[in-house]
Amino acid sequence: DTGVSQNPRHKITKRGQNVTFRCDPISEHNRLYWYRQTLGQGPEFLTYFQNEAQLEKSRLLSDRFSAERPKGSFSTLEIQRTEQGDSAMYLCASSFRGSLINEQFFGPGTRLTVL
Amino acid sequence: AQRVTQPEKLLSVFKGAPVELKCNYSYSGSPELFWYVQYSRQRLQLLLRHISRESIKGFTADLNKGETSFHLKKPFAQEEDSAMYYCAGAVTSGTYKYIFGTGTRLKVLA
Repeated sequence: DTGVSQNPRHKITKRGQNVTFRCDPISEHNRLYWYRQTLGQGPEFLTYFQNEAQLEKSRLLSDRFSAERPKGSFSTLEIQRTEQGDSAMYLCASSFRGSLINEQFFGPGTRLTVL
Repeated sequence: AQRVTQPEKLLSVFKGAPVELKCNYSYSGSPELFWYVQYSRQRLQLLLRHISRESIKGFTADLNKGETSFHLKKPFAQEEDSAMYYCAGAVTSGTYKYIFGTGTRLKVLA
């Protein structure tokens, strides 16, 4: 599979628990993005990695959220002490810096439900 | 602040009718604009990018800098066009993150 993959696809958790999501980008892509999408809204930017460096974080990303991209390959997004407001679809996208087009390729998303 | 606006949440048209999905943007500098489509139970995928000035699946979109618009058009809608459509603008400095509109659901009726 040459596309962006995300695991798990669905996660149900209780309020206060920690969750971690994984994103595997397209292998030659050096840019990686996380977005969050709630019902009736378009995806909203959360954070951006260029290789292993996290270069931008949205103010939407509270201190309960942390993201990593060790070795510039896969990325993880962790949410600590989940709240019901964290329920959303979490999307990962990747692209190649150096492309003239800046097209982002999206994964299928991880749907988080916080009870 | 940079913003992408899609004023219609739902657009219903009959098969064979023309379609226009509206997108307006507010940007500093030159925008790079895209249309993404999400079919039922599928991931977001790129439909069009303004820089390419192409036609994909019969859809076209022209960047109108005077009206700050990037409307998506198709002369004759088909049932398989039913999907969620998102207009997105890329921030062209640094991250190239996307600013998305809220999306328009297109329903093509038989």
